[in-house]
Amino acid sequence: GENVEQHPSTLSVQEGDSAVIKCTYSDSASNYFPWYKQELGKRPQLIIDIRSNVGEKKDQRIAVTLNKTAKHFSLHITETQPEDSAVYFCAASLPGGSEKLVFGKGTKLTVNP
Amino acid sequence: DTGVSQDPRHKITKRGQNVTFRCDPISEHNRLYWYRQTLGQGPEFLTYFQNEAQLEKSRLLSDRFSAERPKGSFSTLEIQRTEQGDSAMYLCASSSTGNEQYFGPGTRLTVT
Repeated sequence: GENVEQHPSTLSVQEGDSAVIKCTYSDSASNYFPWYKQELGKRPQLIIDIRSNVGEKKDQRIAVTLNKTAKHFSLHITETQPEDSAVYFCAASLPGGSEKLVFGKGTKLTVNP
Repeated sequence: DTGVSQDPRHKITKRGQNVTFRCDPISEHNRLYWYRQTLGQGPEFLTYFQNEAQLEKSRLLSDRFSAERPKGSFSTLEIQRTEQGDSAMYLCASSSTGNEQYFGPGTRLTVT
């Protein structure tokens, strides 16, 4: 089955700096890659996603890039703010069937004021 | 309320007891998923419903777990004879397309 690896497990940046989180997936047939933000005690919140027919997608300060050949995708957050502090999860989904999400283990991002 | 809701938010039970959780998906979302999340890990898939049909179950879902979605709206997840290893956050998500899944706040289960 699909396997998703996520790095780093923790990331600390200064306010205003950029943060990059990387994920790799194992099944080349995966075609949907969402990113979720989870604050302590809260639900995972979908913040951005990308499909396999697109190489990059941006939404204000966040962007996601996908390299299908290398089977990896990355989340980029620019001009980080303290409220960006949270655990971020990447996931991958195979087409057809349930399209269940297979998640990475998460990255705890801390933005220091 | 336009989001996914779950009830209860917290459940403490003694080992060996049965527990049942409820999930109300976003209206008109025909796809419903249950995931389990333990501390420091990402959510892990448990089971999937399309309308009232349970179409996929993870190997994580032992015989003590059962899920239903009787009218294709809300869903219940029951755990029988709970064990300490069942302690986790149980998350429900719904989707209209399969790809964009929206999560509920979860039910945190503690088995003592």
